[in-house]
Formats: sequence, structure tokens, C-alpha cells
Amino acid sequence: QKEVEQNSGPLSVPEGAIASLNCTYSDRGSQSFFWYRQYSGKSPELIMSIYSNGDKEDGRFTAQLNKASQYVSLLIRDSQPSDSATYLCAVITPSGGYQKVTFGIGTKLQVIP
Amino acid sequence: NAGVMQNPRHLVRRRGQEARLRCSPMKGHSHVYWYRQLPEEGLKFMVYLQKENIIDESGMPKERFSAEFPKEGPSILRIQQVVRGDSAAYFCASSSTGTRGAFFGQGTRLTVV
Repeated sequence: QKEVEQNSGPLSVPEGAIASLNCTYSDRGSQSFFWYRQYSGKSPELIMSIYSNGDKEDGRFTAQLNKASQYVSLLIRDSQPSDSATYLCAVITPSGGYQKVTFGIGTKLQVIP
Repeated sequence: NAGVMQNPRHLVRRRGQEARLRCSPMKGHSHVYWYRQLPEEGLKFMVYLQKENIIDESGMPKERFSAEFPKEGPSILRIQQVVRGDSAAYFCASSSTGTRGAFFGQGTRLTVV
């Protein structure tokens, strides 16, 4: 089982719809969770972080964390063509005295005008 | 506050030459991560360093690759005797504590001819 799993997609949604991106992780000791956006040919950009159960909203983005079910999701409301990118889930887990960062493979999102 | 700075942005090397990739973390950040990414593929973890220490090098090939983060100056990823398979984008990310999100540099695109 991969440590951080994401569906590689592509996930296609019409403009104005809600895009829902999901990520599951295997280690119950994981403590910090992040979403990155990566445009083609560019570097990943940190867009959301979440550390406790529940929802965290920032503009059109909402991150959701459920530690009991070991999943974290990202909702993008009113999706725009400019949101078309690959979204990477990252998880930080204490490991051997340090904090280990693990990335998922990323979900490619396509917003159709 | 300047972001994570990587140089060069593009590097062309002939097979058998050495490649040196530099990364200056954000001010106040002492945690540095290096990743490799092939086109249309996910981020592959290579190495995690703190000042003067390699914390996790589990993703580094055993031969030809080395990394350092000296007390003064940037972090360096060194690839000796490059081969065509080393052609990729190499990203550096830095973090202040290791438990918060890391910020990425623009990357170095290495092409081996």
C-alpha cells in the first residue's frame, strides 16, 4: 500500500462546478497535511495546510481532514479554467526522530470552459 | 523576503560530466528537501537535509549522487558522470521547522546530451 494515495485522474469538471480532490494516507501517526498546485512546467505551490480534523476554508478552496478515516480532501468551488493543474497531497509523519514528508502522485484537474 | 532560489534554471551537460545544482532556502529556513520529477510523473523524493546534516537520503541513488547543506552557503546536489537518464527537473524545497509546509524553488531543468 502506498503511503499517500491519490487518483491520478484526469478529473474533468465544467467551469463553475465544484471540484473534489481526494487523498488517503496509511500512517495513523501523520500530523500535518498539505495541498500543492502544480501547473505544467512549473514548480509546486503550497495552497492549503490543515492540521486538525474538520474543514479549513480559504477563498474558493476548502481543505477537509478526517483522521479517523485517514483521508484529506480539497474542494474547489466555482472552478475556473485557471484551476486546471495537478494537485499534490503531502503528508508529514514523525519517523525515526525526524518529520518525513511524503507526496502523493497528484491528481490532474481539467476545468472545461 | 526572497523565496527559495535555485540555480541554474537550465543546465545542459554532456554524458560523463558533472552537474552541480544549487539551492538557497528561504531566509530562516534550515530544512531543505530535493526532489526529481520526470515529465508527466510525480515528485520523487531524493534527500532531506538540515544544516550540515543529512537526515534522510533514502531516495538518493547510491552512486554518482551526493548532497550537502553546509553551515554557510546554499545546498548543493551533485551528480557525477551524468547519463541521459538523469535528465529531469530537480526541485528544492525549504521549510522552517520540518512540520510546516515546504516552499519550492523554480527548479533546475537538467538535460544530458
